[in-house]
Amino acid sequence: DTEVTQTPKHLVMGMTNKKSLKCEQHMGHRAMYWYKQKAKKPPELMFVYSYEKLSINESVPSRFSPECPNSSLLNLHLHALQPEDSALYLCASSQPLSGANVVTFGAGSRLTVL
Amino acid sequence: RKEVEQDPGPFNVPEGATVAFNCTYSNSASQSFFWYRQDCRKEPKLLMSVYSSGNEDGRFTAQLNRASQYISLLIRDSKLSDSATYLCVVNMGSARQLTFGSGTQLTVLP
Repeated sequence: DTEVTQTPKHLVMGMTNKKSLKCEQHMGHRAMYWYKQKAKKPPELMFVYSYEKLSINESVPSRFSPECPNSSLLNLHLHALQPEDSALYLCASSQPLSGANVVTFGAGSRLTVL
Repeated sequence: RKEVEQDPGPFNVPEGATVAFNCTYSNSASQSFFWYRQDCRKEPKLLMSVYSSGNEDGRFTAQLNRASQYISLLIRDSKLSDSATYLCVVNMGSARQLTFGSGTQLTVLP
């Protein structure tokens, strides 16, 4: 069982819908991440939160809106997505940002935009 | 030049074979190095960290050459269950943390 839990596992949404992806970890990690992964490609970093503050936004379109309500939770709010946004969205966490920390991934939320 | 480069494969090997994957990285200030394994439609999972002295975990051996900025993974006595994509991952010590190679696909054949 993964120590980073993501819900839902699968999500199908229309381009006008609003939905959210949720992520939870109880490892005491203070850095949390959202990645997007397309088929046969490595994960691409979207956002990094450190101590509940957004520290990195990799020029992600505003139709993706991250939120970190507390040190254990990370959300990704989705609105007016495009079909090309269909992908596996991976949440991850690690100890506070340094050069040595192992990053642990959740099982992902597979998103299909119709 | 990509920050982390891997041979994408695919590597198709028979059971019991020894297979080696290589990876190079461009940033000499990189701080830590990992091999992650990703099964089809699953999340990446840490296979092993890579240390300058080299390290071994059962059938898996990882090597790091900082002078050449080169990382390797050796799998001995391949099993069917080793079939996966192997991601070379480098932590450059920045807030972005991990930089991924494109992954090397391995299929172990019966």
